[in-house]
Amino acid sequence: AQSVAQPEDQVNVAEGNPLTVKCTYSVSGNPYLFWYVQYPNRGLQFLLKYITGDNLVKGSYGFEAEFNKSQTSFHLKKPSALVSDSALYFCAVRANSGGYQKVTFGIGTKLQVIP
Amino acid sequence: GAVVSQHPSWVICKSGTSVKIECRSLDFQATTMFWYRQFPKQSLMLMATSNEGSKATYEQGVEKDKFLINHASLTLSTLTVTSAHPEDSSFYICSVASGVTDTQYFGPGTRLTVL
Repeated sequence: AQSVAQPEDQVNVAEGNPLTVKCTYSVSGNPYLFWYVQYPNRGLQFLLKYITGDNLVKGSYGFEAEFNKSQTSFHLKKPSALVSDSALYFCAVRANSGGYQKVTFGIGTKLQVIP
Repeated sequence: GAVVSQHPSWVICKSGTSVKIECRSLDFQATTMFWYRQFPKQSLMLMATSNEGSKATYEQGVEKDKFLINHASLTLSTLTVTSAHPEDSSFYICSVASGVTDTQYFGPGTRLTVL
């Protein structure tokens, strides 16, 4: 069974500092990996995804994520955090195989950017 | 990405009544839509996969007679919570999958409170 682990319930970072939100995964075969952001009382917004190719993926709002196959990780990063980045972040994985494959979401990490 | 709307954004109802939530894909013909439930400070729980013109596929533990799903067209899926009880109070989110990688695009969610 596939799974996603987000080991930190909350990450605090000062505005202007780099941020990292961690994600590790388990899936049969090659993965598709996703990051989503959720603001209070809202649905999830797609940030970025890894399919294949370059391990460093760039997404919306200056976020990027690095796929590391050996460590089965897909950490979300941003060079300089903004207060408006404060939200709940979800990592998700599905198997890279034919047909529809179920997506599994992590439990989410709350990012708090301190002014 | 696809634009998805939900209606209503929030609803309060009395115990024993039924509530219908609509999910619309505004710019994309979605043969498949997904319904999730999210509890406070928890991840998304997939309830069912809604397929246009056919019966929905429910996840284990989800009562299909309680959570009725109708996917009548390529742009509309509805979730009806029948005989709602306080424990059905939750945040319900729908999504559509787009593209080869089935990236999911989410609606803004519906907050259901059952008194």
